[in-house]
Amino acid sequence: AQSVTQLDSHVSVSEGTPVLLRCNYSSSYSPSLFWYVQHPNKGLQLLLKYTSAATLVKGINGFEAEFKKSETSFHLTKPSAHMSDAAEYFCVVSDRKANQAGTALIFGKGTTLSVSS
Amino acid sequence: NAGVTQTPKFQVLKTGQSMTLQCAQDMNHNSMYWYRQDPGMGLRLIYYSASEGTTDKGEVPNGYNVSRLNKREFSLRLESAAPSQTSVYFCASSDLRAVDHTGELFFGEGSRLTVL
Repeated sequence: AQSVTQLDSHVSVSEGTPVLLRCNYSSSYSPSLFWYVQHPNKGLQLLLKYTSAATLVKGINGFEAEFKKSETSFHLTKPSAHMSDAAEYFCVVSDRKANQAGTALIFGKGTTLSVSS
Repeated sequence: NAGVTQTPKFQVLKTGQSMTLQCAQDMNHNSMYWYRQDPGMGLRLIYYSASEGTTDKGEVPNGYNVSRLNKREFSLRLESAAPSQTSVYFCASSDLRAVDHTGELFFGEGSRLTVL
């Protein structure tokens, strides 16, 4: 069975400093991996996705993530935080071997990013 | 550009009352989903509908029923609400073939339900 672990429940940074949100996964197969962002009182929005092409994936709003198979990690980074980045971030793994498509996505528990001025 | 629309956005119920959460999407997606979000728990799948006319249980289906009314609409019903069902509920939709490989779900803005 596949699983995903977000290593930090809360990350605080200052505006203009780098962001690192950590995600480890467990998978018996080659996974697809995603990051979603949820701004306060909003639904989730796809930030970026890895689907076995380039291991460094670029997403929206300057975020990127690197798939490292040897470390079973898919950490989300951004060189310089902006106030508008304050949100909750979810790492998601897709179980390509799931028998039913509806159960394919497994969500991490989320990391809340706070950005101070 | 409506995307996925959920109603109501907020609801307070008493234990034992029933209610239906409505969801509609205008992206011609085959698949629709209901998730619940609780603090520190991430999103957990309640029910999903891979295509019009089919529904299947997810991780936490107990206490809920669903109806895929047509391709656009997917409702979630609480027959006898319990305090444990206090949560934020999200409806989502996707292209069935895409969800296994791109994982892109399109979410509504959520329905905040409190059961007293």
